[in-house]
Amino acid sequence: GENVEQHPSTLSVQEGDSAVIKCTYSDSASNYFPWYKQELGKGPQLIIDIRSNVGEKKDQRIAVTLNKTAKHFSLHITETQPEDSAVYFCSNGYNKLIFGAGTRLAVHP
Amino acid sequence: KAGVTQTPRYLIKTRGQQVTLSCSPISGHRSVSWYQQTPGQGLQFLFEYFSETQRNKGNFPGRFSGRQFSNSRSEMNVSTLELGDSALYLCASSWAGLVAGDVEQYFGPGTRLTVT
Repeated sequence: GENVEQHPSTLSVQEGDSAVIKCTYSDSASNYFPWYKQELGKGPQLIIDIRSNVGEKKDQRIAVTLNKTAKHFSLHITETQPEDSAVYFCSNGYNKLIFGAGTRLAVHP
Repeated sequence: KAGVTQTPRYLIKTRGQQVTLSCSPISGHRSVSWYQQTPGQGLQFLFEYFSETQRNKGNFPGRFSGRQFSNSRSEMNVSTLELGDSALYLCASSWAGLVAGDVEQYFGPGTRLTVT
């Protein structure tokens, strides 16, 4: 069935370093790949997304890349800050969103 | 513009009871999707409503049901509650619905349901 594998499950970095989260999906029909950030006690917040006709998208310190041939997509956060600490979810879908298991990112001052 | 609101935020129920959760989407959004979030299973899709019609459904038993009203507000009902139904229930709204395949979904804060 449809699934999304997300790695790593936890990631610890020093403030100012970069963080990379990778996902692999199985549904070939997927054409939408959003990333969400979830802070404690809150719902997931859409931080960036990419469509299937685009290979890369950047928004300030956040960038996403998509390789449809390999069914891989990644989130890159540069110059990490303590407020980036949260759980990040990748997702993809066509008529419903399938989520990865999440990556708990900790940014240490 | 106000975000997605969910009520109540917290709920404690006993096994066998039923519960109704409410979601008000962002103004102008016509699609509401519901998700269940648990530590073990993560975020799982329950169903999606668009213009008062259920368009997509996940792999949950029939005890989980929903509906959408003409003002796009949605309710989710769980009957005969089980301990395993304890979870954070999230709703997300979008303007065009998931059939379009590539529209942004915005989540509410969720309702934390505890079944004892």
